[in-house]
Amino acid sequence: DTGVSQNPRHKITKRGQNVTFRCDPISEHNRLYWYRQTLGQGPEFLTYFQNEAQLEKSRLLSDRFSAERPKGSFSTLEIQRTEQGDSAMYLCASSPQTGYTEAFFGQGTRLTVV
Amino acid sequence: SQQGEEDPQALSIQEGENATMNCSYKTSINNLQWYRQNSGRGLVHLILIRSNEREKHSGRLRVTLDTSKKSSSLLITASRAADTASYFCAIIHGSSNTGKLIFGQGTTLQVKP
Repeated sequence: DTGVSQNPRHKITKRGQNVTFRCDPISEHNRLYWYRQTLGQGPEFLTYFQNEAQLEKSRLLSDRFSAERPKGSFSTLEIQRTEQGDSAMYLCASSPQTGYTEAFFGQGTRLTVV
Repeated sequence: SQQGEEDPQALSIQEGENATMNCSYKTSINNLQWYRQNSGRGLVHLILIRSNEREKHSGRLRVTLDTSKKSSSLLITASRAADTASYFCAIIHGSSNTGKLIFGQGTTLQVKP
């Protein structure tokens, strides 16, 4: 297993366009998280999946954001009608089911909205 | 900050010196973790300390936890240029049922060769 994989690594889009990011977690991990990180800040929690169920969403996740994890495998994060304020690094992490242990992060997708 | 303060915000030291970073938080915790992030990349887990532990070691890393003061420190001994990175503490709330991490703002460490 090569760890958590995120695609694309970089995305530049025009304001108003829709974008979709993909995360492939470590295969045996049931838990999957999305975080957003802006320059000079720590990551902020966006949403959590346990298997295919989305169990928690942050208030940061406006109605322009939607996330899915079909069949409990990979996950997608879509942003509709992007705004300049959406420019950030979007990080995906996964962790095993048992207990609360370390999270394994992907390399992130850096989104720039112009 | 989302869950507390980290200090210093930035730290610059010479190779071979020790680096100490501090983290404070506001709530009860299940555990506290430290992560490293090299510029523009993902986070790498360094060490986890549970709420009933006071000190842990991993190689050149030493983490302490004082739950009465709601604070933790990360000590990197005999620093190397390769330790240059941002360091984040993150907590899992004591009442969490998701395991989500709540991060601080981080400390940027520069180790000069």
